[in-house]
Amino acid sequence: EAGVAQSPRYKIIEKRQSVAFWCNPISGHATLYWYQQILGQGPKLLIQFQNNGVVDDSQLPKDRFSAERLKGVDSTLKIQPAKLEDSAVYLCASSSLAGDLETQYFGPGTRLLVL
Amino acid sequence: RKEVEQDPGPFNVPEGATVAFNCTYSNSASQSFFWYRQDCRKEPKLLMSVYSSGNEDGRFTAQLNRASQYISLLIRDSKLSDSATYLCVVGHNDMRFGAGTRLTVKP
Repeated sequence: EAGVAQSPRYKIIEKRQSVAFWCNPISGHATLYWYQQILGQGPKLLIQFQNNGVVDDSQLPKDRFSAERLKGVDSTLKIQPAKLEDSAVYLCASSSLAGDLETQYFGPGTRLLVL
Repeated sequence: RKEVEQDPGPFNVPEGATVAFNCTYSNSASQSFFWYRQDCRKEPKLLMSVYSSGNEDGRFTAQLNRASQYISLLIRDSKLSDSATYLCVVGHNDMRFGAGTRLTVKP
């Protein structure tokens, strides 16, 4: 079974530029999560989708971050404009059931450096 | 106070040693508890869930103390391959991760 796919794996941009990340969850997984992991910290949930609807985006900085999952399958996370403090690894995870915290599968992450 | 707190370490132990990590959480309504393992520059992977009665998986033992709001992970007979960062995760409606405890097992 294929795992969670993410691209790109690495991205370097200058502050105030825009960037987008893509995630394709495990086939059939209805729930998709985006996490931000800053160096030395644990992952922080940014947004959770159930199919194409948003379940929780309380920790998403909505002035610059946006995410969509239009067809309920793959998802994109965008930052516009980027700030230095956005440098982090952006992890996508998926699970088959909403609220099934135990079986979240993580992708390899996108490592973002903002200069 | 952070929602999930861990001793960041690092813990440097010799092969064969027993090592224990603790984690405290602030939300008394938390319902789910996990330990994840994260290797350097890799994604987190579930190590084990933590059940109220305590549970064991080979060399790993996890315990939960709801009254004191902490969970623990015990690793017996440490192997070189156990070197990683161990993330404490507490769930209510979503998962809250601790910052992780770094373990290095040396020959």
